[in-house]
Amino acid sequence: EAQVTQNPRYLITVTGKKLTVTCSQNMNHEYMSWYRQDPGLGLRQIYYSMNVEVTDKGDVPEGYKVSRKEKRNFPLILESPSPNQTSLYFCASSLSSGNSPLHFGNGTRLTVT
Amino acid sequence: GENVEQHPSTLSVQEGDSAVIKCTYSDSASNYFPWYKQELGKGPQLIIDIRSNVGEKKDQRIAVTLNKTAKHFSLHITETQPEDSAVYFCAAPLYNFNKFYFGSGTKLNVKP
Repeated sequence: EAQVTQNPRYLITVTGKKLTVTCSQNMNHEYMSWYRQDPGLGLRQIYYSMNVEVTDKGDVPEGYKVSRKEKRNFPLILESPSPNQTSLYFCASSLSSGNSPLHFGNGTRLTVT
Repeated sequence: GENVEQHPSTLSVQEGDSAVIKCTYSDSASNYFPWYKQELGKGPQLIIDIRSNVGEKKDQRIAVTLNKTAKHFSLHITETQPEDSAVYFCAAPLYNFNKFYFGSGTKLNVKP
């Protein structure tokens, strides 16, 4: 089954403790992206990747890192999480950049205390 | 960057009625306009999309219309059913297609 898999689904952590949210897709998609969803703000793009070893900032990249060492994986790294990063995070992939449908994972709800 | 505005933020309709959600965008070079449906506890799922070379597209009870001159596009759901209750997002890419901008979402409630 074609899908985007994120882990974990829920994560509670403390300020400053490094964490990684994993994302994997099995559709051989070139483009992958991370979004955060906050009430009233819709989905805002954090980082995106056009292909292996090619990543770029979205609109809200501060406090986040990503890597794309393999085509299927696109982990999101929070080196020193802060409470304002408490949010619902979605990974998505598409065949080729922003001109084709995005396939989303089921989300990771992160709470930073 | 692209600015995508979506209205209304909440919409309540009676089962069987129609629902219309509207979005405006700012980048006149955008040429791909998808709509996503998000059910509780899940990620958004594409329900319909339209490219700028057409003005309307239909898929059963769902349709999308695009007015490139006015820079707005709308989602139309006819004969609404309780399972249509969800949050709907519109989106538009920046002209170089590397970034997607989403509207703030519309929570649709279909009352049985």
